[in-house]
Amino acid sequence: GNSVTQMEGPVTLSEEAFLTINCTYTATGYPSLFWYVQYPGEGLQLLLKATKADDKGSNKGFEATYRKETTSFHLEKGSVQVSDSAVYFCALSGSGGSYIPTFGRGTSLIVHP
Amino acid sequence: KAGVTQTPRYLIKTRGQQVTLSCSPISGHRSVSWYQQTPGQGLQFLFEYFSETQRNKGNFPGRFSGRQFSNSRSEMNVSTLELGDSALYLCASSVGLVDGRDGEQFFGPGTRLTVL
Repeated sequence: GNSVTQMEGPVTLSEEAFLTINCTYTATGYPSLFWYVQYPGEGLQLLLKATKADDKGSNKGFEATYRKETTSFHLEKGSVQVSDSAVYFCALSGSGGSYIPTFGRGTSLIVHP
Repeated sequence: KAGVTQTPRYLIKTRGQQVTLSCSPISGHRSVSWYQQTPGQGLQFLFEYFSETQRNKGNFPGRFSGRQFSNSRSEMNVSTLELGDSALYLCASSVGLVDGRDGEQFFGPGTRLTVL
């Protein structure tokens, strides 16, 4: 079946540091890939997505590239802010005839001033 | 366009009681999915409804049920509550195309259920 593996958190960074959150997946075919973000006390919000190999999704300074050869979709940001502190979820859908997303366990990011 | 709304936002119940949670999807979205989020298990898929029919179901006991109305609004019900049912219940809506590769979902703020 489909699965998504994210790096364990929490990830703790100082403001303006470079961020990488690793995400790898197992799926058949060519799924769509997503990053969602959850701020404290809120539901998940779509951060960015990519629907085919080599696509780069980007939003609010965050980027992730769909790497079919390594089955990865790592999230990056060049300079994090305190306001980026949240939980980040990697997800896939559209594999094996299923459009129900499969989510990773989430990675907590804590950014200190 | 209004987002996904969930009511109530917070709920406190005791063991053995039952509870009904409500979700109003984004206008035009026909698919509504429900998830349970806990610190220990993460985000777990409960079920998905499309055009008033349950189309997908996760691995939860029969105490968890749901339905969808003709206006796409959805409710989920948990009967005979257990302490372990304490969680954030999230509703998500999407266009829900069967052959759509883009499974983007739009989430509501969730209902925080506490079982005492």
